[in-house]
Amino acid sequence: GESVGLHLPTLSVQEGDNSIINCAYSNSASDYFIWYKQESGKGPQFIIDIRSNMDKRQGQRVTVLLNKTVKHLSLQIAATQPGDSAVYFCAENSGGSNYKLTFGKGTLLTVNP
Amino acid sequence: GAVVSQHPSRVICKSGTSVKIECRSLDFQATTMFWYRQFPKQSLMLMATSNEGSKATYEQGVEKDKFLINHASLTLSTLTVTSAHPEDSSFYICSARVTGTGGEQYFGPGTRLTVT
Repeated sequence: GESVGLHLPTLSVQEGDNSIINCAYSNSASDYFIWYKQESGKGPQFIIDIRSNMDKRQGQRVTVLLNKTVKHLSLQIAATQPGDSAVYFCAENSGGSNYKLTFGKGTLLTVNP
Repeated sequence: GAVVSQHPSRVICKSGTSVKIECRSLDFQATTMFWYRQFPKQSLMLMATSNEGSKATYEQGVEKDKFLINHASLTLSTLTVTSAHPEDSSFYICSARVTGTGGEQYFGPGTRLTVT
């Protein structure tokens, strides 16, 4: 299940199950959102992005859903595999010429074989 | 494509010394690069935005005289941690935005700095 506390939120799933990772963003003016995967000791890796004029976007085994009304973003991973185990961050870009990103707290996904 | 490298990947230095970290975009030009710091089990915190040919823009609370940023070319930005102290020990990550595109940033592999 999912837990939130003083430590990094965690989600534990069985291999083959679908995973849903949630993120609440802060700025209603944000117009671009990205999900990143970060493995231990490595830099973030781009997974999928979505612009504010869309509410759903699909990639390979991943889907991002955007609900602007409640400022909520989710990442769905289909048929989760052990290699998907990592920390997942959502990031928002509130516009501006420099495209600064603000990262969410992150969720640790653990896939049990 | 869109590969970003960082050097060194790990560095240990003594308190009071300075350390330079390089960030390179290998196969694209990056007018804008970003420097982040990440403490264990925490998220990435933006330190500064580095623009080629101009001064970096620092986030609130980041000391510009302590974290010197130079972006002298379209493929290289450097971060120098001056007079390092143990509390500067962290994972430093850079990212680069492809010139002329939207907000997607490509991240480097990070540099683990340990100050003893």
